[in-house]
Amino acid sequence: DGGITQSPKYLFRKEGQNVTLSCEQNLNHDAMYWYRQDPGQGLRLIYYSQIVNDFQKGDIAEGYSVSREKKESFPLTVTSAQKNPTAFYLCASSIDRAYEQFFGPGTRLTVL
Amino acid sequence: AQKITQTQPGMFVQEKEAVTLDCTYDTSDPSYGLFWYKQPSSGEMIFLIYQGSYDQQNATEGRYSLNFQKARKSANLVISASQLGDSAMYFCAMREIRGGYNKLIFGAGTRLAVHP
Repeated sequence: DGGITQSPKYLFRKEGQNVTLSCEQNLNHDAMYWYRQDPGQGLRLIYYSQIVNDFQKGDIAEGYSVSREKKESFPLTVTSAQKNPTAFYLCASSIDRAYEQFFGPGTRLTVL
Repeated sequence: AQKITQTQPGMFVQEKEAVTLDCTYDTSDPSYGLFWYKQPSSGEMIFLIYQGSYDQQNATEGRYSLNFQKARKSANLVISASQLGDSAMYFCAMREIRGGYNKLIFGAGTRLAVHP
């Protein structure tokens, strides 16, 4: 079945550690996105990518990094520079900029 | 600056009744798109319905319809014949295209509870 997978579902990290969240899609979508969701709030855009080897900062990119080496994959690294990383992270993809975004199941990150 | 406002933090509805979830938006772009997503307790965002700014008719998708009032800058979601499975968070979002990229700006959401 086509879709977006994110792993792991739950992730625990000690302060000062970098951690990488996985996002894979087999929908053949060009565009991919990373969002952060805090309790009781909507989603905020971290990074987005329209094509392979190209990505742009979103509204809250500080403390995060991404790569887009393959069309299917868009991993997000939460670095130790991110001051408050505990949140729910959602990855999305779309055919191109004019179409709706489809979301993965999310990764819940907790910093201990 | 563009923004989305959802003024109802929570809503209750009786099963089989209709419910309207409010959404207002602010943009100076002549071309934009409006989306509604459902987020159940599992966390995944489920696309429900889309309305383009130039669409002449209100969008409909099964039990979902979008009451689009362009002059008022509102895009309310109407769910007809509510079901228990409709209990979830609902987010309104607006598409912004900047430099060739498609970005979604989300509202804070409305939590809908459907009672039997």
